[in-house]
Amino acid sequence: ETGVTQSPTHLIKTRGQQVTLRCSSQSGHNTVSWYQQALGQGPQFIFQYYREEENGRGNFPPRFSGLQFPNYSSELNVNALELDDSALYLCASSLAGGIAYEQYFGPGTRLTVT
Amino acid sequence: ELKVEQNPLFLSMQEGKNYTIYCNYSTTSDRLYWYRQDPGKSLESLFVLLSNGAVKQEGRLMASLDTKARLSTLHITAAVHDLSATYFCAVDPNGQNFVFGPGTRLSVLP
Repeated sequence: ETGVTQSPTHLIKTRGQQVTLRCSSQSGHNTVSWYQQALGQGPQFIFQYYREEENGRGNFPPRFSGLQFPNYSSELNVNALELDDSALYLCASSLAGGIAYEQYFGPGTRLTVT
Repeated sequence: ELKVEQNPLFLSMQEGKNYTIYCNYSTTSDRLYWYRQDPGKSLESLFVLLSNGAVKQEGRLMASLDTKARLSTLHITAAVHDLSATYFCAVDPNGQNFVFGPGTRLSVLP
């Protein structure tokens, strides 16, 4: 069974640029959620994708957008990067309709905006 | 808006001692999760608590859930250095997104 993978591991961007982060869900999972974790804080929910549709969104502006593909992998896109976007971005996969709704987290992408 | 609080936020304890971390949340939820995070790493699932009165134990850690009080506890027995990490509780009120607490940074000293 393959776990959740994310790429790239680290990324440095300049303010105003755009970035795309990628996530492959765990085998058998159909739902992907994205979280932003600033240094020293708990993860904050960005949005969730289920069957290629956005299925819930947290308090993040529209410049945070995403996609889910037929194989359930997902992308997080952030436009017009700001310094405050520097964080660890975590994706988590789960099985919708499962009893526990347990989310399995990937290793994360560390984004630094300068 | 659902709020999740943890107490304490920082905990320094000696090896061999016992301690409890508390997680309070502000709205009804029957599902609560505990995760561990090592510095610079992702989140590792520790416990999934799915009903009122649920209790789970793994090694030196035991978690419980009281949905009526909206309270979960993570009890550490005879702490060892390897338990040093940040512990997060998360509540899942609607099967959509997890709301995490701020984390408890645990340091176990020899």
